[in-house]
Amino acid sequence: QVQLKETGPDLVQLTQTLSITCTVSGFSLTTYNVHWVRQPPGKGLEWMGAMWNGGGTDYNSAFKSRLSISRDTSKSQVFLKMNSLQTDDTAKYFCARGLVYWGQGVMVTVSS
Amino acid sequence: IQLTQSPSLLSASVGDRVTLSCKGSQNINNYLAWYQQKLGEAPKLLIYKTNSLQTGIPSRFSGSGSGTDYTLTISSLHSEDLATYYCYQYNNGNTFGAGTKLELK
Repeated sequence: QVQLKETGPDLVQLTQTLSITCTVSGFSLTTYNVHWVRQPPGKGLEWMGAMWNGGGTDYNSAFKSRLSISRDTSKSQVFLKMNSLQTDDTAKYFCARGLVYWGQGVMVTVSS
Repeated sequence: IQLTQSPSLLSASVGDRVTLSCKGSQNINNYLAWYQQKLGEAPKLLIYKTNSLQTGIPSRFSGSGSGTDYTLTISSLHSEDLATYYCYQYNNGNTFGAGTKLELK
């Protein structure tokens, strides 16, 4: 069955870089798109970006140039990297196939 | 495209007909989806392309709308429907609304 699982650090220091891996199973990354969405504690959902099945990417302009999404199709993994973290980047980060199938999310706290 | 959901909080009773609104800052061309999120869980897709019911979602959920104005209706509220609901547009970029929290009256 379709599964997605995010793995990453619980805690990241202010101004450092966040790296999260989304490992998928039950489908091919060359067939389906994978999106990244985040949710600060007690707040709403924010679309961050996507890795399209063809290998292209799209980003929310709110993240300007500090967000990068890549993949390794041989390992069925999609990667999120975001630099210059601030305290308001504290959030649960989700990956989702086509925004239909979602991972459980990983909670990341940015600490000073 | 910005999405405005109203109300932000809705109190209703089991059995009520409930209507949630989502308005776009420009034409969404029906590329509008609705998600349900319960506390501590990932969002669940309910409706896509304005009015298409996702597989496995109860028929008491329905969507409608066009242009900039869209609606999610729950025909008869069940206790398990208490959650926060988000609209999402994918016509021009990708945007979520701020959500409507549905609570028990």
